[in-house]
Amino acid sequence: GIQVEQSPPDLILQEGANSTLRCNFSDSVNNLQWFHQNPWGQLINLFYIPSGTKQNGRLSATTVATERYSLLYISSSQTTDSGVYFCALEVGGSQGNLIFGKGTKLSVKP
Amino acid sequence: NAGVTQTPKFQVLKTGQSMTLQCAQDMNHEYMSWYRQDPGMGLRLIHYSVGAGITDQGEVPNGYNVSRSTTEDFPLRLLSAAPSQTSVYFCASRVRRQETQYFGPGTRLLVL
Repeated sequence: GIQVEQSPPDLILQEGANSTLRCNFSDSVNNLQWFHQNPWGQLINLFYIPSGTKQNGRLSATTVATERYSLLYISSSQTTDSGVYFCALEVGGSQGNLIFGKGTKLSVKP
Repeated sequence: NAGVTQTPKFQVLKTGQSMTLQCAQDMNHEYMSWYRQDPGMGLRLIHYSVGAGITDQGEVPNGYNVSRSTTEDFPLRLLSAAPSQTSVYFCASRVRRQETQYFGPGTRLLVL
């Protein structure tokens, strides 16, 4: 099956710093999403981005499907950005199931 | 819209007991799924449904049953709870394939 690797597994930042989270995958995908799981466990959609670039405030994401990776950029980080960031993929030819990476745990210190 | 709702929020079971985790969505989404989340494992798919009356197994289906009699509801049944089923369970839905998926708030289950 498809392999999904997220890096780094853990990241500690000072408030105001920028960061880049990476998601590598081993097969072509029809769907790629980024989620944020906050410290209370809630999973929040950030981006639906099977290809191209999107921006939403301080967050942006880029997926290069031909090279099989996606990047999530967080600028001017805030303590509320803390939590775990997951990428999830839907593989071409599958039943449409989303396969999740193991996540990047981000801690933003004040 | 309430989005995706799950009940209960937290449950303690004894080994061998059965229970049903409820999931409902009011967005008329065809695609619904159940995941479990364990420390360091990300989210793993248990069962999913592509429409009323249609269900299929995901990555970790053993010990769980599902049914989809309506578009809105997708309950997950634990037939005989085991300590290995201690986890956080998330229900999710989306309109169809290749669309944004939305998650419920989760159910934390402890099996003693």
